[in-house]
Amino acid sequence: EAEVAQSPRYKITEKSQAVAFWCDPISGHATLYWYRQILGQGPELLVQFQDESVVDDSQLPKDRFSAERLKGVDSTLKIQPAELGDSAMYLCASSFRGATHGYTFGSGTRLTVV
Amino acid sequence: DQQVKQNSPSLSVQEGRISILNCDYTNSMFDYFLWYKKYPAEGPTFLISISSIKDKNEDGRFTVFLNKSAKHLSLHIVPSQPGDSAVYFCAASAGTGTASKLTFGTGTRLQVTL
Repeated sequence: EAEVAQSPRYKITEKSQAVAFWCDPISGHATLYWYRQILGQGPELLVQFQDESVVDDSQLPKDRFSAERLKGVDSTLKIQPAELGDSAMYLCASSFRGATHGYTFGSGTRLTVV
Repeated sequence: DQQVKQNSPSLSVQEGRISILNCDYTNSMFDYFLWYKKYPAEGPTFLISISSIKDKNEDGRFTVFLNKSAKHLSLHIVPSQPGDSAVYFCAASAGTGTASKLTFGTGTRLQVTL
């Protein structure tokens, strides 16, 4: 079964450092989503791509977060500088025909900022 | 503003009995609803969905009920099994198509006991 690949699985970084996460969606999935899940809360959408274009980044803290999907395939989410409150699970998901047909999520990256 | 709410953070059910997980929403534009299941250190996996034109959808042991007038949906698991122990997220989408995105609730942790 096709999977969404994410790396790294775990990342510990010191505050004020830069950190980056990578996601490779299922082949053929044009829509890619980055979500953040803080412990005890539901996933919150950070950014949504359609191919290489950003569809929605209204909840992305743009002073420190950036996301790109240059060739419309894999994507990178970056945080610089990291803050203690950024500690969370960062989930990537992809979809072939939009949310109503369900996302496929990756296993996520667990970020701890110390 | 939490548009999708799961007011029960946790639920404990005996094996073989029925598990009922509840979800409320506030956005009248939501017209598609999904349930996801999440094990620790893994990404959420799609479980079952329902369109707003229906009031019930069944898939094996899982049934989702939708009450549009009350803006309420529920997930029934019968019979509950120990492997069902996980966090369950309710999610909703407004509109269809590749630009659609999911808004998640805060999750309910289900524990199925022997």
